[in-house]
Amino acid sequence: KAGVTQTPRYLIKTRGQQVTLSCSPISGHRSVSWYQQTPGQGLQFLFEYFSETQRNKGNFPGRFSGRQFSNSRSEMNVSTLELGDSALYLCASSLALDGTGELFFGEGSRLTVL
Amino acid sequence: DAKTTQPTSMDCAEGRAANLPCNHSTISGNEYVYWYRQIHSQGPQYIIHGLKNNETNEMASLIITEDRKSSTLILPHATLRDTAVYYCIVRVLDSSASKIIFGSGTRLSIRP
Repeated sequence: KAGVTQTPRYLIKTRGQQVTLSCSPISGHRSVSWYQQTPGQGLQFLFEYFSETQRNKGNFPGRFSGRQFSNSRSEMNVSTLELGDSALYLCASSLALDGTGELFFGEGSRLTVL
Repeated sequence: DAKTTQPTSMDCAEGRAANLPCNHSTISGNEYVYWYRQIHSQGPQYIIHGLKNNETNEMASLIITEDRKSSTLILPHATLRDTAVYYCIVRVLDSSASKIIFGSGTRLSIRP
């Protein structure tokens, strides 16, 4: 079956702009989580959605937001981009919150802010 | 979630067993040990997880000490394709299940 799909794979923005990233989970998976990966900070949890509700949130400013649709697809938005937002943004899906806990990651969206 | 400590880097000869250690001395009774790996420029990939007992699957074996304060991931016959960063994570399986805290991981290099 198809894996987690993230779009776009690569994008370049300038400071002050905003960006929207999309994630399509594996069919049947209802939990979607987002992570930011940078060389300096490593993999950091952004937020997690289950059945269109945000269940958990990491320590990121309000410029980072997300949502989940009824078909479990998720989007995350970053407004007023800063140079430090340049990173690989990873989406992961899982079957359920009380399942095996196995997360399936997408290939990521690599954002460069100039 | 409990924190983990892993060596920054390791290397192993191709065809030999790669043993990756992880310390999680503050692990709670309901926390599982998970291992993921990330090959360059790809998303992390699940390898294996366990609670108390040793586990084995087609990819690897997980050995957890009796006091659960440390574990070892074993790749029985390492290949060049196993070159990756390996993350050891401890987490509970509840409503916060997806809030994984990744450490720095171990960069495993397989030499021919």
